[in-house]
Amino acid sequence: KAGVTQTPRYLIKTRGQQVTLSCSPISGHRSVSWYQQTPGQGLQFLFEYFSETQRNKGNFPGRFSGRQFSNSRSEMNVSTLELGDSALYLCASSLGGTNTGELFFGEGSRLTVL
Amino acid sequence: SQQGEEDPQALSIQEGENATMNCSYKTSINNLQWYRQNSGRGLVHLILIRSNEREKHSGRLRVTLDTSKKSSSLLITASRAADTASYFCSGAGSYQLTFGKGTKLSVIP
Repeated sequence: KAGVTQTPRYLIKTRGQQVTLSCSPISGHRSVSWYQQTPGQGLQFLFEYFSETQRNKGNFPGRFSGRQFSNSRSEMNVSTLELGDSALYLCASSLGGTNTGELFFGEGSRLTVL
Repeated sequence: SQQGEEDPQALSIQEGENATMNCSYKTSINNLQWYRQNSGRGLVHLILIRSNEREKHSGRLRVTLDTSKKSSSLLITASRAADTASYFCSGAGSYQLTFGKGTKLSVIP
């Protein structure tokens, strides 16, 4: 079956702009979680959505938001971009959620903020 | 809260040698998972060990879990150049799954 698909794979934005990233989970998976990966901070949890509800949120400012649709596809949005938002954004899907079992990751969206 | 801190941060070994990575976590967990990440790619799940298990094997991988010390180790036996990657552990307790910064393994042919 198809894996986790993230779009776009690469994008360049300027400070102050906003960006929307998309994640299509594996069919049947109801949980989608998002992560930011930077060389300095490592892999950090952003939030998790399960059946269209945000189940948990990491320690990120309100500029980072997300949502999940009825087909389990998820989007995350970052408003008023800052240079420090440059990162690899990864999403992962799972059947039962991040506290239960295996996560399946997409290849990521690499965001560069100029 | 950080639920995965890998040690060492970097490890370089010759092909054929064994590689051991360690992981520590802070609060109680339901399970602990190890993932591999090739440069700039997504993470790939390697193995999951539940809190009531002490050791688990999968191919050339052996994972141990010591809940009293809140630590885990990943052993890769007979390493290959293709094992070159970053390895992350993560403890799943509450709904929030967190990772450490990973161990960067280099296997020299």
